[in-house]
Amino acid sequence: EPEVTQTPSHQVTQMGQEVILRCVPISNHLYFYWYRQILGQKVEFLVSFYNNEISEKSEIFDDQFSVERPDGSNFTLKIRSTKLEDSAMYFCASSEALPGGEGETQYFGPGTRLLVL
Amino acid sequence: QKEVEQDPGPLSVPEGAIVSLNCTYSNSAFQYFMWYRQYSRKGPELLMYTYSSGNKEDGRFTAQVDKSSKYISLFIRDSQPSDSATYLCAVREEPGGSYIPTFGRGTSLIVHP
Repeated sequence: EPEVTQTPSHQVTQMGQEVILRCVPISNHLYFYWYRQILGQKVEFLVSFYNNEISEKSEIFDDQFSVERPDGSNFTLKIRSTKLEDSAMYFCASSEALPGGEGETQYFGPGTRLLVL
Repeated sequence: QKEVEQDPGPLSVPEGAIVSLNCTYSNSAFQYFMWYRQYSRKGPELLMYTYSSGNKEDGRFTAQVDKSSKYISLFIRDSQPSDSATYLCAVREEPGGSYIPTFGRGTSLIVHP
């Protein structure tokens, strides 16, 4: 069964450093998402991406964040200058279609646990 | 402010019990309701979704939405130890509106043999 994969599974970084989290969505999916979950808190939407541009983003997704699809398979989330409060589990997801459409189910990856020291 | 409230539990039940998981929400703009299951160290997995009020059944799982009281439920019949996980409710506006989902905190369910 196809699945979303994410690397690395864990990342430890120093405050102020840049990190890139990587995701490989399911191959025939066209819509890509990033979410985060701070320990003990809710899953929060960050951004959605389609056709090489951001479709929608939340208030959390500020100028420190960026997303990219550098090739036909990877989807990345970059945090330019990490803060302590960026420590969280980051989930990538993908879907065939937009929410509300046929094939809209989002499939989540296992997550990358980011710890900022 | 868009809010979804969910009791974090843990909820501990014996194998075979009927489990009731619940969420409340505050914004009547939400029309689309989802339940996810999240095993430890895994991403959320969509279990069921419903649009508007009513019931939807899938095997041992039944999702129920009462829009008049802004209350959503997930029932699990004949619960199994493999059902032990965190269950997240999520809501969003109807198609055509924002599709940003708002999640509850999740309820931890433990089904013991």
